Amino acid sequence: GEDVEQSLFLSVREGDSSVINCTYTDSSSTYLYWYKQEPGAGLQLLTYIFSNMDMKQDQRLTVLLNKKDKHLSLRIADTQTGDSAIYFCAERKTGANNLFFGTGTRLTVIP
Amino acid sequence: EADIYQTPRYLVIGTGKKITLECSQTMGHDKMYWYQQDPGMELHLIHYSYGVNSTEKGDLSSESTVSRIRTEHFPLTLESARPSHTSQYLCASSSASGANVLTFGAGSRLTVL
Repeated sequence: GEDVEQSLFLSVREGDSSVINCTYTDSSSTYLYWYKQEPGAGLQLLTYIFSNMDMKQDQRLTVLLNKKDKHLSLRIADTQTGDSAIYFCAERKTGANNLFFGTGTRLTVIP
Repeated sequence: EADIYQTPRYLVIGTGKKITLECSQTMGHDKMYWYQQDPGMELHLIHYSYGVNSTEKGDLSSESTVSRIRTEHFPLTLESARPSHTSQYLCASSSASGANVLTFGAGSRLTVL
């Protein structure tokens, strides 16, 4: 496909793990990113992964990359109400310097 | 503190008016970008610049124009605003090397009546 795809909504209970999924378009993409957007704010980089890695962990965040299926996921452990936001997946395609973003997944954490 | 600033944050304006959205960064980044964001939609690149006096159109056609006279400043202008221009405009910058991580401003939400 032409677009970076994400499901639009995800709801989880506080304390559970959240998994946000993304499929991207270019199997040669060098970097893949996760950004977080809180209401009324710009996008904030959460983490990124280089394409030669399968996994990256940073505190409560775990990124998994499946290059064969062009699938990227973000797992948030022990999800808190402050994690409620829109999460954007983005790829840096081969030969491009800008990033291509998905529609974003709105995560709602239920207390 | 190094950062990227956008003004105004919110703007409500009548059809036909000329508007300029300001974007400034203090990180010395060569690359700067303008994305347009509508609710429930992807961010779409409308303009980018790789340095002073360099500007290019992005993937999404836009009636806006940009200029890059100074490294730190990348304003976006609409000569005659229309209701179809109502959107959120996000400015970003990145360094020329490494992972090309984009740093975003807080956005300018434009409403054209």
